[in-house]
Amino acid sequence: GAGVSQSPRYKVTKRGQDVALRCDPISGHVSLYWYRQALGQGPEFLTYFNYEAQQDKSGLPNDRFSAERPEGSISTLTIQRTEQRDSAMYRCASSLRGGANTGELFFGEGSRLTVL
Amino acid sequence: EDQVTQSPEALRLQEGESSSLNCSYTVSGLRGLFWYRQDPGKGPEFLFTLYSAGEEKEKERLKATLTKKESFLHITAPKPEDSATYLCAASRGGSNYKLTFGKGTLLTVNP
Repeated sequence: GAGVSQSPRYKVTKRGQDVALRCDPISGHVSLYWYRQALGQGPEFLTYFNYEAQQDKSGLPNDRFSAERPEGSISTLTIQRTEQRDSAMYRCASSLRGGANTGELFFGEGSRLTVL
Repeated sequence: EDQVTQSPEALRLQEGESSSLNCSYTVSGLRGLFWYRQDPGKGPEFLFTLYSAGEEKEKERLKATLTKKESFLHITAPKPEDSATYLCAASRGGSNYKLTFGKGTLLTVNP
């Protein structure tokens, strides 16, 4: 596709349920990033992949959060046993390898998660 | 801990009224300083990268500058379509894939 595609765009779930958020990066982009953005805040780093390898997961808040990118393209961010504090906009971004050196990340429109 | 602070939080200008947005940073071993634009309901869109003090980048009515402690985004003769939230971010050497963002400045340009 032309840009980074995320699904679902909106997800409402009950506390305790698991959710999976999907990201389809721009074709040819080897680096993929997950960020979380609260209302009125800038994006906050969660995790980063080069190809299928998860290079850094230091931003994941706790072990309920996990991410994978098994074939080096589509990525899934999974949140287990959701809590109300997990409610936020989850943004995926991709870049050419070394794109972070230039700061040129291409962000998707995000998945807004609401935990009731 | 790396910190990026933007001011003001919100800025309202009349069309044609030039101004500047500020981004101060505390990052050990700064690798790059980045500016993004974010429209409502959209993801951030890349504008500029600055690497060293004294560097300047321009794009249309926008010019970004960098010193050792802060960056400015100068907006010359803004138009209503420049209305957006402008985000500043920084990366450090050794983990340059990880951007630390500020909270942003919400710019409104009235016709």
